[in-house]
Amino acid sequence: GIQVEQSPPDLILQEGANSTLRCNFSDSVNNLQWFHQNPWGQLINLFYIPSGTKQNGRLSATTVATERYSLLYISSSQTTDSGVYFCAVEVGAAGNKLTFGGGTRVLVKP
Amino acid sequence: DGGITQSPKYLFRKEGQNVTLSCEQNLNHDAMYWYRQDPGQGLRLIYYSQIVNDFQKGDIAEGYSVSREKKESFPLTVTSAQKNPTAFYLCASSIKGHQPQHFGDGTRLSIL
Repeated sequence: GIQVEQSPPDLILQEGANSTLRCNFSDSVNNLQWFHQNPWGQLINLFYIPSGTKQNGRLSATTVATERYSLLYISSSQTTDSGVYFCAVEVGAAGNKLTFGGGTRVLVKP
Repeated sequence: DGGITQSPKYLFRKEGQNVTLSCEQNLNHDAMYWYRQDPGQGLRLIYYSQIVNDFQKGDIAEGYSVSREKKESFPLTVTSAQKNPTAFYLCASSIKGHQPQHFGDGTRLSIL
């Protein structure tokens, strides 16, 4: 099956810093989603981004499907950005089954 | 409010006991999914359903069963055959086709 790798596995930031998270995948995908899992376990949709670039406030994402990677940018980080960021890819023609990466654990210090 | 409701938030299972986790959505979504998350890891697909009265196995279906008798409901039963059931279980739903999935708040299952 498809492999999804995220880097770095852990990231410690000072509040106000910028950062880039990376997601590599081993095969062609139909779509890609980025999620933020907060400390209570809730999984929040950030982006649905099969290709191109999208922005939502301080967050933006870019997917280059032909090169099989996606990037998530966090600018001016805040303590509420702490948590785990997952990318997940959709494969297969029937139904949108998601395969998740291992996540990047982000801690933003005040 | 529209959304996905999972219950209970915490569940304890005795050895040899089956337990059922509830997932209800009022988003009128066609497809529903169950994922398992172990500590420090990503989510893995257990079962999914694209239409009422139909469902397919995901990557780790052994020891689990599901039903889809109503569009809004997709309960997951963790059977006694699942030898390591302690995990965080998340339910999701989506519009049919290549559309984003939206998740419930999860159920934490532990063994007594």
